This record gives sequence, C-alpha cells and structure tokens, in this order.
Amino acid sequence: GEDVEQSLFLSVREGDSSVINCTYTDSSSTYLYWYKQEPGAGLQLLTYIFSNMDMKQDQRLTVLLNKKDKHLSLRIADTQTGDSAIYFCAEPLGDSKIIFGSGTRLSIRP
Amino acid sequence: DTGVSQDPRHKITKRGQNVTFRCDPISEHNRLYWYRQTLGQGPEFLTYFQNEAQLEKSRLLSDRFSAERPKGSFSTLEIQRTEQGDSAMYLCASSLTRTNTDTQYFGPGTRLTVL
Repeated sequence: GEDVEQSLFLSVREGDSSVINCTYTDSSSTYLYWYKQEPGAGLQLLTYIFSNMDMKQDQRLTVLLNKKDKHLSLRIADTQTGDSAIYFCAEPLGDSKIIFGSGTRLSIRP
Repeated sequence: DTGVSQDPRHKITKRGQNVTFRCDPISEHNRLYWYRQTLGQGPEFLTYFQNEAQLEKSRLLSDRFSAERPKGSFSTLEIQRTEQGDSAMYLCASSLTRTNTDTQYFGPGTRLTVL
C-alpha cells in the first residue's frame, strides 16, 4: 500500500543535531524528498535524494537512505531556532502525485 | 515571478456556499497540482493538470469539487455546497516535467474554514 510513516514529534536542544526518521513503501521510487513547513505557510522543498545514492549532504543537512529497509533520515546539524517547523518525508507515486508522511514537528529547546 | 501564488490566502464561508480558489504556477511549469491538507496531516493529492488537460483525479475529489486550467496557465478549484468537512488548507504546486526529478514547488495555500 501507499504509506509514508514518521514519528510525530521531536524536541532537541539548540546547537544539537536533529535526526528525523521516515519509512516508505514503494521500492521503485527513483527519488525521495524532504519538505519543510513553517506555521501557516506552504511546503518548502528542503532536499531530495536519488534512490541510487546512500547519502547526500547539503550544508547542515544530511540525508541517509537505506533502500533495503526502506528507511530515510534527515539530520540537521547545529539545530537553530529557525529550524522549528514540520518536516515531511515524501515519495513520488507513479508519474504524478507525491505521497507525504504525517510530518514530524521539530521543536527547539534553549 | 519567483514562485507559486494562491488567492485568497484565507476564506471563511458558511456551509452550503460555493467557493473558488485560484493558483498561479511558476510561469514555465507545465504541470499543476492540487492537494488538501488537514490539521496534523500531510498533504493529500487531489488532482493534476499537464498543460490544460486534467490527467488524474483522486477519489477524494467528490462531485462537488471541480478544477480547471483553461489555458494551461493558472488554475481554479471550485467547491460547491461546502460542508464543514471541507475545512482544510488547499495547496497548489507546479512542476516542469523536463527536469529529471519533476520536483513540485508549492504555493502558500488557501485556508478554508466552513462554518
């Protein structure tokens, strides 16, 4: 079936690393996405990773992909208050739609 | 034009009324998508257009919903006889199929509240 699963909440201390985890179902997905949504706003594409890659690094963001376990993670180094948001893992389904997880709400403690 | 725009940003209506939302995609993007997002959930696909053709509709799109993209540019989403369960954020996205990821870029959304 079509299902992307994420834990709902994550709280980290400012300056620490945040790791948001996701499991997906479609092993044929050629790429996977991470989107960020700030309060009252639309979705901002943070990064994506092709399925033939194990890791992608982009400044403070590191994406790890384990195709065998269908597990995707997003690590945010040196988490800042501006990183407070909901983070969505997503995979394309077929040629058109994107299937989103329920989102992980990241909150930052001082 | 640097992004997808949507209008209005907020809409409050009474049950039974009709509402129409507009989406303007990124100018060279040939695909346009509508999603619905309820509180605490991720966006759910409703429908998409390639140029002016509506190519797929979700089963979530009841017969009270209709979407158009008459000239392959902006799109409208109309909801007739609104119900309280229609209250949600309606998100529009666009993409260019010539890219190798067909990445969808989202607008800020229209938040609908049905009283």
